[in-house]
Amino acid sequence: QKEVEQNSGPLSVPEGAIASLNCTYSDRGSQSFFWYRQYSGKSPELIMFIYSNGDKEDGRFTAQLNKASQYVSLLIRDSQPSDSATYLCAPSSGYSTLTFGKGTMLLVSP
Amino acid sequence: GAGVSQSPRYKVAKRGQDVALRCDPISGHVSLFWYQQALGQGPEFLTYFQNEAQLDKSGLPSDRFFAERPEGSVSTLKIQRTQQEDSAVYLCASSLAGDREVAYEQYFGPGTRLTVT
Repeated sequence: QKEVEQNSGPLSVPEGAIASLNCTYSDRGSQSFFWYRQYSGKSPELIMFIYSNGDKEDGRFTAQLNKASQYVSLLIRDSQPSDSATYLCAPSSGYSTLTFGKGTMLLVSP
Repeated sequence: GAGVSQSPRYKVAKRGQDVALRCDPISGHVSLFWYQQALGQGPEFLTYFQNEAQLDKSGLPSDRFFAERPEGSVSTLKIQRTQQEDSAVYLCASSLAGDREVAYEQYFGPGTRLTVT
């Protein structure tokens, strides 16, 4: 059974702060890691993906991966109220199938 | 360009009815996925197609669920004799390619919200 663990939150941060979202996974065969954002009532929207250990930056977002610890995280710098959403972590192993966590709800207050 | 489209967006079915949910992937995308998302949960994998071949159907919860993609583009997820526990959002996603080792980005459609009464 592949498991993906995320703190359900809500994680509350003030506008302009750094939001840190964490995810652990059980399948050591996972090779690719995706972060999706999901607004209430909407479908998941791809934010970032990372394949290699280390950091990957894209604008205000940084994904961090540590395969030895089976840990992946997403940092959001200069958080905005529009970032308020549920963030889904999704490792993948084999034929691109994604295993999603339950997601962490982020609330950014003005 | 156009994204993934799904229809209907909302479906209400009486228990025992059959339903068919349609997915039109992004043009040229080889891989197509179906997920089920219950309220407050992350999407759960149902099945995967590469072109017209159904390579993985391990997530289909019962033999009442059936999916097809006969020409390698549009896909239909069919649920027979619907039950209340089938109530969920059904999401379709497509990606440009599929590979045993490396995953490609998946892009989701708006979903079909199924309510079984």
